[in-house]
Amino acid sequence: AQTVTQSQPEMSVQEAETVTLSCTYDTSENNYYLFWYKQPPSRQMILVIRQEAYKQQNATENRFSVNFQKAAKSFSLKISDSQLGDTAMYFCAFISPNDYKLSFGAGTTVTVRA
Amino acid sequence: IAGITQAPTSQILAAGRRMTLRCTQDMRHNAMYWYRQDLGLGLRLIHYSNTAGTTGKGEVPDGYSVSRANTDDFPLTLASAVPSQTSVYFCASSGYTRDRGRFNYGYTFGSGTRLTVV
Repeated sequence: AQTVTQSQPEMSVQEAETVTLSCTYDTSENNYYLFWYKQPPSRQMILVIRQEAYKQQNATENRFSVNFQKAAKSFSLKISDSQLGDTAMYFCAFISPNDYKLSFGAGTTVTVRA
Repeated sequence: IAGITQAPTSQILAAGRRMTLRCTQDMRHNAMYWYRQDLGLGLRLIHYSNTAGTTGKGEVPDGYSVSRANTDDFPLTLASAVPSQTSVYFCASSGYTRDRGRFNYGYTFGSGTRLTVV
């Protein structure tokens, strides 16, 4: 399994502010996919954003954007204009087209304060 | 609504008992997976199946078994539960799905089963 590391167990942010979650991964492959998943208290796993490694352009989905640094094997998630509904655990995940098995980081709990 | 159904939602189980967690999908995805989620460890792969009739071991397979008799169903069995198997279990499938107007290869997750072994 690939190694995915999230070094921030918890983060807190004021409503309307910006928070950045870090993620690094280890792989020898050149082609792969990276994801950020959101898990609110409901336990549902929700795909936030995905990035194909062959694309240089950083993916963006509304208030969520990534900073993908392929050489550094880094894949951070920026949440802009944080909302109370963003409170959740966020998981970084990696998948290789060779086996399509998703490898997860340990997760970062984000709390948005009113 | 297409997706994955897991049952039960939660369960308290006596150590030593046998338990089967059920998982059914209606998306005709070939690949299915079982993960366990533990605080500080994220989600770890227990077993997987690339297609009906085949299964494989993931990162933490000990104490668990699976079967894949058909495309839709992928049950996970704990033959003799132990307290260390207390966890939240997620079933997932992967395939091409429409997401935000685009077809992408991705995962679909069930809502999880919270299992407590006492």
